[in-house]
Amino acid sequence: AQSVTQLDSQVPVFEEAPVELRCNYSSSVSVYLFWYVQYPNQGLQLLLKYLSGSTLVESINGFEAEFNKSQTSFHLRKPSVHISDTAEYFCAVSDRGANNLFFGTGTRLTVIP
Amino acid sequence: GAVVSQHPSRVICKSGTSVKIECRSLDFQATTMFWYRQFPKQSLMLMATSNEGSKATYEQGVEKDKFLINHASLTLSTLTVTSAHPEDSSFYICSAKTGPSGDYGYTFGSGTRLTVV
Repeated sequence: AQSVTQLDSQVPVFEEAPVELRCNYSSSVSVYLFWYVQYPNQGLQLLLKYLSGSTLVESINGFEAEFNKSQTSFHLRKPSVHISDTAEYFCAVSDRGANNLFFGTGTRLTVIP
Repeated sequence: GAVVSQHPSRVICKSGTSVKIECRSLDFQATTMFWYRQFPKQSLMLMATSNEGSKATYEQGVEKDKFLINHASLTLSTLTVTSAHPEDSSFYICSAKTGPSGDYGYTFGSGTRLTVV
């Protein structure tokens, strides 16, 4: 069975500073990996995903994540955060070929002006 | 892009009553929808997979008779919490698979905060 660990429940960071949100997973099979973002009172939105190919994936708003198979990690990074990045971020994993997603507990990113 | 509308966003009900939550795909057809439950500071836990025109597939430990799921059309799935109790208070989120198999496109609703008093 899969599981996802997001060690940091809250991450405060100053505006324009870099940030890393950590995600580790466990699975006995090959997986797909996702990061979702949830803004207040909104649904989850897909930020980026790793299915295959290059282990470094990027989103359109400057986030990137790198799949590290040996460390079973999929950490999310951004070199310079904005106030608008304040949100809840969820890491998720899915077995290849499966329908469902397993989520981490989420990390609340708060960008401080 | 694909939009999933979930209604209501918040509901308060008395213990023993039933509550229905709707999940609609607004601009696409969703043959498969998923229902999740989220406790404070915990993961989203998959409750069931809803397939249009057939019975839902429930995850282990989820009571089928308590959480009734109906997916009667390609754009609507409903979750009914029957005989609700305070311990059913939680945040419920639906999602729909939007991409072809292997694309792994999922769109989520905005969630429903259920409070049973």
